[in-house]
Amino acid sequence: DAKTTQPPSMDCAEGRAANLPCNHSTISGNEYVYWYRQIHSQGPQYIIHGLKNNETNEMASLIITEDRKSSTLILPHATLRDTAVYYCIVRGTALFNFGNEKLTFGTGTRLTIIP
Amino acid sequence: DGGITQSPKYLFRKEGQNVTLSCEQNLNHDAMYWYRQDPGQGLRLIYYSHIVNDFQKGDIAEGYSVSREKKESFPLTVTSAQKNPTAFYLCASTKTRGGEKETQYFGPGTRLLVL
Repeated sequence: DAKTTQPPSMDCAEGRAANLPCNHSTISGNEYVYWYRQIHSQGPQYIIHGLKNNETNEMASLIITEDRKSSTLILPHATLRDTAVYYCIVRGTALFNFGNEKLTFGTGTRLTIIP
Repeated sequence: DGGITQSPKYLFRKEGQNVTLSCEQNLNHDAMYWYRQDPGQGLRLIYYSHIVNDFQKGDIAEGYSVSREKKESFPLTVTSAQKNPTAFYLCASTKTRGGEKETQYFGPGTRLLVL
């Protein structure tokens, strides 16, 4: 799986958009970008994933650059409950790589929403 | 409600003792996973199972054992051979073998402490 690089921490004012960057310069063509978040002492929560097109759901938007070497997770109106560690993960498909469905979590970005 | 349950929430182990962490899911998912998380670190894969009566070692299987006798259950035993068991243990599942569109759903975790 390709490695990802994220800033260790970020702050964002409540009500503003939180933009979390992720670099994945070694991503290959069949690898998806996944985002999870983990609130303190809880299990990780799935947020969104994408291959090459931008994606949006009720939680967030995912912007992937055209060369797919980086992406940005956008929380449009951050609330205090969005304070968590956010993980950007690049994962291959089990269809092409047997046993490759594991998620490799790095240390993530600790996002703090400021009141 | 459908989901993944882990018990207990906190578990204390004495030196030389084997302990078993429970993971149950009622999502009718085929694949299940165990991860370990150390303070300030990402998740590391211990074992995974794609189907009943079959399981594979992950990246850090030494000192751990699992069984998958039922689809909904994937217990993890931390044996006395695991010399540094203190960690946060997370169980996850996916509907099938984890294709590119499969998201992993996580349980709330069990925190294991050594006395």
